Amino acid sequence: NAGVTQTPKFQVLKTGQSMTLQCAQDMNHNSMYWYRQDPGMGLRLIYYSASEGTTDKGEVPNGYNVSRLNKREFSLRLESAAPSQTSVYFCASTPGTREQYFGPGTRLTVT
Amino acid sequence: KNQVEQSPQSLIILEGKNCTLQCNYTVSPFSNLRWYKQDTGRGPVSLTIMTFSENTKSNGRYTATLDADTKQSSLHITASQLSDSASYICVVTRNSGNTPLVFGKGTRLSVIA
Repeated sequence: NAGVTQTPKFQVLKTGQSMTLQCAQDMNHNSMYWYRQDPGMGLRLIYYSASEGTTDKGEVPNGYNVSRLNKREFSLRLESAAPSQTSVYFCASTPGTREQYFGPGTRLTVT
Repeated sequence: KNQVEQSPQSLIILEGKNCTLQCNYTVSPFSNLRWYKQDTGRGPVSLTIMTFSENTKSNGRYTATLDADTKQSSLHITASQLSDSASYICVVTRNSGNTPLVFGKGTRLSVIA
């Protein structure tokens, strides 16, 4: 039982490049989330998926798209990366309204 | 506005000492309040979750309190260890809205020998 896994762990992009951050969970959780964490700020919700087949915008969705591929996988795509998207990205999952389980994070730098 | 404020921003204590971290929130409608520990370079890990009716919950050396009337919570760490050095994040869950969880900015705790 690996919990929540994220790939890659680190990534450097040039401005305008695109990439997809992958997230998978093996706990059969319905809900999955993508957050970004910047220095001096709390985690901010980008997008979430309450259940397979549904996605909703969070607090800071601009510049991102998501896909809930199946119950296990929830990906985050940056179509045209900008330096303002330099951050640490966390994926999380939860079976309901109780505890959220976080992945190890992806550290993204956009130059 | 839905907000979670934590204090202090950072704290340095000697190993073996106790400390208390504070969390004030203005989130509604309230569902539950969580405390997470985040080690450097890792994702947050849950310490406690409290609902409206719970005013104290312990997890080993960690004890969280909740006063739903004043919208305040605290996390008390007893007999601190070097491994307690981390950021501690207070999170309030809403019952509705497109931002179901509201995160505080965290308190950075450093325990020194």
